[in-house]
Amino acid sequence: QVQLVESGGGVVQPGRSLRLSCAASGFTFSSYAMHWVRQAPGKGLEWVAVISYDGSNKYYADSVKGRFTISRDNSKNTLFLQMNSLRAEATAVYYCARREDYYGSGSYLNWFDPWGRGTLVTVSS
Amino acid sequence: QSVLTQPPSVSGAPGQRVTISCTGSSSNIGAGYAVHWYQQLPGTAPKLLIYGNNNRPSGVPDRFSGSKSGTSASLAISGLQAEDEADYYCQSYDSSLSGSYVFGTGTKVTVL
Repeated sequence: QVQLVESGGGVVQPGRSLRLSCAASGFTFSSYAMHWVRQAPGKGLEWVAVISYDGSNKYYADSVKGRFTISRDNSKNTLFLQMNSLRAEATAVYYCARREDYYGSGSYLNWFDPWGRGTLVTVSS
Repeated sequence: QSVLTQPPSVSGAPGQRVTISCTGSSSNIGAGYAVHWYQQLPGTAPKLLIYGNNNRPSGVPDRFSGSKSGTSASLAISGLQAEDEADYYCQSYDSSLSGSYVFGTGTKVTVL
């Protein structure tokens, strides 16, 4: 079955870096765009970044632009999120999610499905 | 700060019908972008509930339905059940923002 498993979270000091991974299985990873979404403790969902199926296009939320980098290794079915210059407000559960695309009747839609279980990142001294 | 506004909480007795609104603007829902809904049960990851405004993925009960009109969308849960107690998020696309994927503020549904 389709599965996404995040790893790499932990406690990190402000200003340091961390790299998250998302291992995909059960589908042709190289055919799908992928997202990172985060959720601060007790808060709502915040989209972080998206990468195209081949890694050629990447887009970021303004809140992380210039400090976070999304990438992928299609040979290893793995998505990454490199987080630099971490701040306390980056403390959150980070989810990876597949972008499901639909083309039909002159329209294009896309949504997040499925999601991984998430990995917790805590930025604290 | 989310550009899609939802009520913080709604509640209902088992069997009742509740609705959750998702209010956007002319740069997102009002611009014609589709709305999708996600259910997040306590302590778990979000799960797709409704896609493309009003479509249910396989396995989602028909008690859940979505609609969209103008700059707003709604999720309705009919025949409310205890297992529906969760957080619900709408999601769309916003042409005024870089990257542009936006989520609603989230609504906690409580079954009384």
